[in-house]
Amino acid sequence: AQKVTQAQTEISVVEKEDVTLDCVYETRDTTYYLFWYKQPPSGELVFLIRRNSFDEQNEISGRYSWNFQKSTSSFNFTITASQVVDSAVYFCALSGIMYSGGGADGLTFGKGTHLIIQP
Amino acid sequence: DVKVTQSSRYLVKRTGEKVFLECVQDMDHENMFWYRQDPGLGLRLIYFSYDVKMKEKGDIPEGYSVSREKKERFSLILESASTNQTSMYLCASSLSDSQETQYFGPGTRLLVL
Repeated sequence: AQKVTQAQTEISVVEKEDVTLDCVYETRDTTYYLFWYKQPPSGELVFLIRRNSFDEQNEISGRYSWNFQKSTSSFNFTITASQVVDSAVYFCALSGIMYSGGGADGLTFGKGTHLIIQP
Repeated sequence: DVKVTQSSRYLVKRTGEKVFLECVQDMDHENMFWYRQDPGLGLRLIYFSYDVKMKEKGDIPEGYSVSREKKERFSLILESASTNQTSMYLCASSLSDSQETQYFGPGTRLLVL
């Protein structure tokens, strides 16, 4: 069975601080994808990044960066110089096993980290 | 841009009512999904569909059914709503490969009284 653990239930920082959200996963698949989504108070999940299991290069997009370490089964997300607009619940997710019929499977989500950025 | 829409943002129903939640996507995606989100439990997969008229159970299908008569539309049905089905329901769609990104709708907050 697959599992995603986000140990940090809630993090509160002051604006402009850097913050890292942790994600640890378990899977028996050799090929898989990892995702991060943002859920602002409006409720809609916004896709942030997808990373495949063969690509361990770190990725940076503006103030966001991701650190994928296969050796520790972790895919951590860092926000640099945080802003109030970054306040949201962030979910890490893992792709499912390809359905034997050639279709799809759902994502396995962590329980989310509620990030609060105080002005 | 991918657009996934859900028929209602908020819904209030009574115990025993039949409830339909509708989801429509405009990107010709093969796969569609229904999740529910509850505090402390994260998102859990209810049902998914990888083609018209095809459906597969997710992790928590009990008390739900689904319908996919057209590629762009995926309906979640609560045959007889119960209070423990009060939740946030999220629909998603993706291209055919299971590794593809899932794009989510705005969600429906359902309250069952």
